[in-house]
Amino acid sequence: AQSVTQLGSHVSVSEGALVLLRCNYSSSVPPYLFWYVQYPNQGLQLLLKYTSAATLVKGINGFEAEFKKSETSFHLTKPSAHMSDAAEYFCAVSHMNRDDKIIFGKGTRLHILP
Amino acid sequence: DAMVIQNPRYQVTQFGKPVTLSCSQTLNHNVMYWYQQKSSQAPKLLFHYYDKDFNNEADTPDNFQSRRPNTSFCFLDIRSPGLGDAAMYLCATSREGIGNEQFFGPGTRLTVL
Repeated sequence: AQSVTQLGSHVSVSEGALVLLRCNYSSSVPPYLFWYVQYPNQGLQLLLKYTSAATLVKGINGFEAEFKKSETSFHLTKPSAHMSDAAEYFCAVSHMNRDDKIIFGKGTRLHILP
Repeated sequence: DAMVIQNPRYQVTQFGKPVTLSCSQTLNHNVMYWYQQKSSQAPKLLFHYYDKDFNNEADTPDNFQSRRPNTSFCFLDIRSPGLGDAAMYLCATSREGIGNEQFFGPGTRLTVL
């Protein structure tokens, strides 16, 4: 079965520092991978997605993620954190047998320290 | 702008009093989803529609039902809300096909008194 594991339910970084949110996936077929962001009391918004076109994927708000098959990882990074990046981040993978479903990780809460 | 709209944004109901949450979309997507999200947890899929084809998750309680009268609208009915049903309810849409992202509405925060 497919799954994603997000390491660290809470991550704190200083404003201006590198943001690194970790996601590892498990899939027996080439996966489609997503990162979503959720601000308090709002729905989820797509940051970026990987669909096998390029291993380095650039998203909105300065975020990017690199697909590494050898490490089964899809970590999310941003060179310089901003206070407005404080939110919950979810990594997700498309369901192998159901093209209309995705499987979410448990989420990582990103805290930005002034 | 094309979007997913949920009404109301906040809903308060009493224990056991039926409640209906609504979702509409202007994206013309054929797949619509209802998720339940509790505090500090990932969204949990309740059910989804592939056009008019209703798909219920195995662990969705019978207390939850849904209707999709047309492409644009989808409703979540909670027949007898319990305290454990207090949560954020998220509606999402997508085009059919693997690899397509889901577009989420802002959610309805349900409080059960």
